[in-house]
Formats: sequence, C-alpha cells, structure tokens
Amino acid sequence: DTVLTQSPGTLSLSPGERATLSCRASQSVDSSYLAWYQQKPGQAPRLVIYGASNRATGIPDRFSGSGSGTDFTLTISRLEPEDFAVYYCQQYGNSLFTFGPGTKVDVK
Amino acid sequence: EVQLVESGGGLVQPGGSLRLSCAASGFIFSSYSMNWVRQAPGKGLEWVSYISGMKSTYYADSVKGRFTISRDNAKNSLYLQINSLRDDDTALYYCARGSMSYFDFWGQGTLVTVSS
Repeated sequence: DTVLTQSPGTLSLSPGERATLSCRASQSVDSSYLAWYQQKPGQAPRLVIYGASNRATGIPDRFSGSGSGTDFTLTISRLEPEDFAVYYCQQYGNSLFTFGPGTKVDVK
Repeated sequence: EVQLVESGGGLVQPGGSLRLSCAASGFIFSSYSMNWVRQAPGKGLEWVSYISGMKSTYYADSVKGRFTISRDNAKNSLYLQINSLRDDDTALYYCARGSMSYFDFWGQGTLVTVSS
C-alpha cells in the first residue's frame, strides 16, 4: 500500500505569508490520483486540489498544487485568515485510497 | 445543491453493530461512486469503503470482513453496516461523494462511539 507522509507537521505563519506544504509518497503516484483537502475545526473536509494541480470549484487562485511521482506540493501564495486549517493529501491506487497525516497551518 | 446527510451513529458496546445511513440529494445519485471516510477524535482522515454506481465495492484492510457498504439508488441512499465493533472504530463517519479518484462533496458526519 502507498503511504503518504506530509511535512511539516505544523506550519506557523502570519497572514500574507506564503505557505508551502509537502506530501511525499512511498511509491510513485499517478498525478491524476493526488488530491488535497482543507479541514477547519468542527467542519467536514473540503476538496481544494484534484489531479495534483487542478483547483476545485470555488477555491481561490492563491491555492496551487504541483508535483509528480512521489513528491507533491500545495502552495498558498498569500495566507488569508480563513486559510488557517489542517490540510491533507490523498491518493488513489490499487483500489485503495490513503490520506496523509495532515499539516496544520496555524497563526504565528 | 449537493447535500449529504449522515445518520445512525451512537454509543455501542464492543462487539456490537450499527447501520449508518447517508441521504443524498442535489445530484444524480446512481451516476456517482460513494465512500465512507472516518476520523477518530483528534486524529486524521481514514478512508473506510467505496461503492461504485454499479455496486462494486472496496474496503480498507482495517474493516474488511466487519463492515459492509451498500446503496439503494432508488432511495438516493448509502449505507454502512458495521459489525464486531472495536474501541478503535470510535470515530466521526463521513459520507463522501466520489469523483474519479477523489472526494468532491462531504457530509457533516455521524459519530460512532464504542464503549462499555
């Protein structure tokens, strides 16, 4: 099974700063099958990026995704107050879906 | 507007059973795969099970043989029968619509607590 590792575990930044979140897979992942989700306290997760680099409906263009193979990145160009949350990467392969452990983006 | 509303959670003793439901609206239910994803208190997300529109199913190894996913396309409903419950099954269980290889809409979840 493919294991996803996310780093850092916590990212402490100020509004307006750039956030770079990493997701590394234990084996190569088809880019079409890599997604990112945002989860705020007490809320369900929300799809942010699918297919490694495609923004979901309603997601602002300050969010971008990139990467291929085993290394993927979610970038938030300028953090807004509503962006502070936990972000999970997720992959699909061999009839299984797996999530990374998450990166918490909090206010410095 | 896509809506997914879970129900059926509750407090159950170890070894017990529950049936979770998810009522879907706002889209052509039979055209989409559906999933259950759970989140233990204070922990991350764990995919549990998948069912295609044609009712093919997949399960996470942690629940295989104990959980059964099903759907009723005529009732726009998704189900999860959970048996032989263990302490580590305690979690918020989300219903999530599948789109290709990801989950594009999520319900608010139903809480399952396993405790004696």
